Amino acid sequence: NAGVTQTPKFQVLKTGQSMTLQCAQDMNHNSMYWYRQDPGMGLRLIYYSASEGTTDKGEVPNGYNVSRLNKREFSLRLESAAPSQTSVYFCASSGTEGIETQYFGPGTRLLVL
Amino acid sequence: QKEVEQNSGPLSVPEGAIASLNCTYSDRGSQSFFWYRQYSGKSPELIMFIYSNGDKEDGRFTAQLNKASQYVSLLIRDSQPSDSATYLCAVPEEDNYGQNFVFGPGTRLSVLP
Repeated sequence: NAGVTQTPKFQVLKTGQSMTLQCAQDMNHNSMYWYRQDPGMGLRLIYYSASEGTTDKGEVPNGYNVSRLNKREFSLRLESAAPSQTSVYFCASSGTEGIETQYFGPGTRLLVL
Repeated sequence: QKEVEQNSGPLSVPEGAIASLNCTYSDRGSQSFFWYRQYSGKSPELIMFIYSNGDKEDGRFTAQLNKASQYVSLLIRDSQPSDSATYLCAVPEEDNYGQNFVFGPGTRLSVLP
């Protein structure tokens, strides 16, 4: 049981480049989330997906798109990266028992130059 | 949008002492509160959660809720150097699409040997 996995672990981009962060979970969870974490600001929700086929904006969605490919996978895409998107990105998932079952992936460190 | 506030710290306590971490929240109607621990460079992990029906103890950890003052605290008894981490307070927020968390900025705890 791998839990929540994320790829890549670390990425450097130039301004304007695009990339997709991948997330997968093997816990049969319905809900999946993307957060970003910046120093002194805690975790902020970018997008979430309450179930397969649905997505919704969180607190800071601008500059990002998501795809809930199937129940297991939830990807985050940066179409044109900006230095302000330099951050640590965490994917999480939670089960039908409720949000108290939310588990986080190991994170992706993204540096945009 | 709910707001969750925490003192960013660092909070320094000697080994064996009680560490007290506080969190205030804006929504008087909030019913449940979660504490996550995050070691440097790692992802958050759930320590415990508490609902509005009272205090909760789990080993060396105790969560206390003061609804009148709208704050929740986490007490760590017999603090150990391995407890040195950032502690995140989180409050669930629900909308038509599902449930997600609003996180506080976290309090950095340092337990000195």
